[in-house]
Parts: sequence; structure tokens; C-alpha cells
Amino acid sequence: QVQLQESGPGLVKASETLSLTCTVSGASISTYYWGWIRQPPGKGLEWIGYISYSGSTNYNLSLKSRAIISVETSKNQFSLKLSSVTAADTAVYFCAALRGYCSGGSCGNWFDPWGQGTLVTVSS
Amino acid sequence: EIVLTQSPATLSLSPGERATLSCRASQSVSRYLAWYQQKPGQAPRLLIYDASNRATGIPVRFSGSGSGSDFTLTISSLEPEDFAVYYCQQRSNSYTFGQGTKLEIK
Repeated sequence: QVQLQESGPGLVKASETLSLTCTVSGASISTYYWGWIRQPPGKGLEWIGYISYSGSTNYNLSLKSRAIISVETSKNQFSLKLSSVTAADTAVYFCAALRGYCSGGSCGNWFDPWGQGTLVTVSS
Repeated sequence: EIVLTQSPATLSLSPGERATLSCRASQSVSRYLAWYQQKPGQAPRLLIYDASNRATGIPVRFSGSGSGSDFTLTISSLEPEDFAVYYCQQRSNSYTFGQGTKLEIK
């Protein structure tokens, strides 16, 4: 089955760039769309963005162009870079597959499955 | 941005009881709504997609209903492993999540 694993520094200094990688196993990176979601401590979920198998991207406008998602096909990985971080970016960061589910004659992508998540703390 | 409002924030029930969780959208999302379950220290798990379809491996005690702006997740008879936080999510216009409902043991 599809499995995802996040990796990257757990501590980032304010104003610097957060960089995370998600390694996919059990499926080719060229099969699905891939997304990033984050969860501040004790709070709810926020979608960050996704990348398609063709490399097109879509981001949450609230991040004001700070996020960049890319794919490295040869390593079956995709990555997130978030620039100019502040304490508000402290969160558990999840990667997830955006897989197609069909019902009633139409199909759409849902986040399934997710990686276990990795905590990133922004320090001043 | 479509805002999803979940209620109640916390629901206290006993095993064997029926749970009803609500999710209301600030505008119509048609049937493009999903429900996820998250246990402490774990990633969310997809339960229901397109408002009423169970994802692979999800027990039949979980059911979803609704369309437009009002949606419900029902757990027919609570098992001990069902106590968790539940989130709704829409994909009608970008992606947004509700703030969650914590289902706790009474």
C-alpha cells in the first residue's frame, strides 16, 4: 500500500526557510497528486498546497507565495519549502497523497493516506 | 474562502451510544465533503468522501449524509477506538478543513 514519510529539520530559525521532504513508497510519484498540510500545536488542520504528477502546483493563498512544492521523480520524493518563517509557522507538517475517489459518476481527489507528520519549531 | 464550522466542539458519550457530528459550510460545496478521524499523535485517516461514501476499510457504523451546506457524520454505536477528533474538509473551492469535533468518553 502507499506509505509516506516526512523528513527534515525539526528546528528552524525565524526569517529562514523551512525545508521538508516526503518519501513515497508503494506507488510511483507519477501516479497521484501530492499535498502538504500542517497543524499548529493543539489546533486544526491547514492545507498548504499540492503538486500534480505533471508538476503543476496550487497553493493556499493565505501563505502569500511563501510556499514552493517540487517533485524529484528519480527519488520518488516531493518537497516543501516555506520561506521567511515566523513563530506562527510552528506546526506538525503532514504530507499526503491526493487520490482519486469516484462516486455518482464523478471523481475527485481526497487526502489519503497521510504521513505520520513531523514537528517543525520556529525559534527566535 | 469557504469556511467549515463544526459542532459541537466537544461531544461526551459512552460506548454503545450513537454519535452525531455536524459540519456547516459558509456556501454550498455540493457533495464535495470528506470526514477524517485523528487520534492523538497520529495522522488523520479518511473515513468518508463525497459526503456519504465510506473509504476503504472503514466500518459500516460510520455513515455520512448531507449536501449543499449541511453535513452530518453518524457513528451508529460507539466503540472504544472511536473516541478521537473528527474533521470535515471540502474540495469544492480549494481545500479547507473544519476546526474539529472532539469525541470524548463520558
